[in-house]
Amino acid sequence: QKEVEQNSGPLSVPEGAIASLNCTYSDRGSQSFFWYRQYSGKSPELIMFIYSNGDKEDGRFTAQLNKASQYVSLLIRDSQPSDSATYLCAGHGSSNTGKLIFGQGTTLQVKP
Amino acid sequence: EPEVTQTPSHQVTQMGQEVILRCVPISNHLYFYWYRQILGQKVEFLVSFYNNEISEKSEIFDDQFSVERPDGSNFTLKIRSTKLEDSAMYFCASSEQLPGNQPQHFGDGTRLSIL
Repeated sequence: QKEVEQNSGPLSVPEGAIASLNCTYSDRGSQSFFWYRQYSGKSPELIMFIYSNGDKEDGRFTAQLNKASQYVSLLIRDSQPSDSATYLCAGHGSSNTGKLIFGQGTTLQVKP
Repeated sequence: EPEVTQTPSHQVTQMGQEVILRCVPISNHLYFYWYRQILGQKVEFLVSFYNNEISEKSEIFDDQFSVERPDGSNFTLKIRSTKLEDSAMYFCASSEQLPGNQPQHFGDGTRLSIL
């Protein structure tokens, strides 16, 4: 069974701090990974995607991918209370049909 | 910014009834997907669709489920005879290309409640 694993949290950080969210995956054939933010009762909203080893930065967000360790992370700098949400990690499997495999999500709480 | 739109936002149906969930993907997107999320659980893949054919379906997507692109804009998910366990949020998504390097954009979802 191909899985994407996340710590469900909650992860609590003070406002202005760096939040670090982590994800591991089991399918070595997975080529690309996506971070979505989901507010309670809402749909997943794309934050970033990454498909090359290393770091990818977009504003306050940095995604990191290490294919050898099968590890993906998302760093949020200068965390704001509005960043409080559940962060979903998803891997695009090796089936080449677009199927995304989601982790269970990490709940982030940013305290003012 | 272009959006994936889903209707209705909430559907309440008696067990055993048929339900159709509707989606309008982003206009230049070619790949379409349905996912569901039972309350408190993971987002789960149901089906992917390209060129008027199902590309892949999950074990959840049994004979009670079907998808259709009846015209150039709509993409529908039909559940023929609903069960209590079909109660969930159903999300439609689309991508411009296969999301090796292209992300999937999600609609706001339809909350399906089976009584």
